[in-house]
Amino acid sequence: EVQLVESGGGLVQPGGSLRLSCAASGFTFSSYWMSWVRQAPGKGLEWVANIKQDGSEKYYVDSVKGRFTISRDNAKNSLYLQMNSLRAEDTAVYYCARVGGEAQFYYYYYYMDVWGKGTTVTVSS
Amino acid sequence: DIQLTQSPSFLSASVGDRVTITCRASQGISSYLAWYQQKPGKAPKLLIYAASTLQSGVPSRFSGSGSGTEFTLTISSLQPEDFATYYCQQLNSYPFTFGPGTKVDIK
Repeated sequence: EVQLVESGGGLVQPGGSLRLSCAASGFTFSSYWMSWVRQAPGKGLEWVANIKQDGSEKYYVDSVKGRFTISRDNAKNSLYLQMNSLRAEDTAVYYCARVGGEAQFYYYYYYMDVWGKGTTVTVSS
Repeated sequence: DIQLTQSPSFLSASVGDRVTITCRASQGISSYLAWYQQKPGKAPKLLIYAASTLQSGVPSRFSGSGSGTEFTLTISSLQPEDFATYYCQQLNSYPFTFGPGTKVDIK
């Protein structure tokens, strides 16, 4: 069964750090881009970061640049999100997602086709 | 950054109704658009990608259309399990923004 399981969430004080993990199973993890997406309480979805299959390319939303680092360990089938200098506005459920893709004619289309159940991060004093 | 807007933000419908949700992009994104369904307390579920390609296993009552800046998600005959929030997402360029969502509620 294709599965993503997040862990590492919790309560942290403003300015603190947290490291989220996402364990992948049931597919060839090293063949896929991976993403982190978050959802603040009662709010919509926000894409946070992407990482290429070999970790050579990483992209972030502006609000987390310089504070969050996405990484992966293909030998362990694991995705990570190191979160530093946390703020109250980082409070959210954090989902990891697999980025699938398909070639159609001359174009290649990406999409997020497998999602974990999420892990909750609360930043509060 | 590319901004996405969705309309309506909320709609109330009955089982069997045809429902259409619109997503507009602030600049052209070709067909690099996906649609997701999310139920309370659950992770999002991919419905449509490449603007109009139905994800495997998704019922055929869901369909997507559009290109450039205007896209639609249509549910041809609303079923009880379709009451949820729907999000569009552009994957044309980083950051991969989501629309604000459309909540579909029971009339």
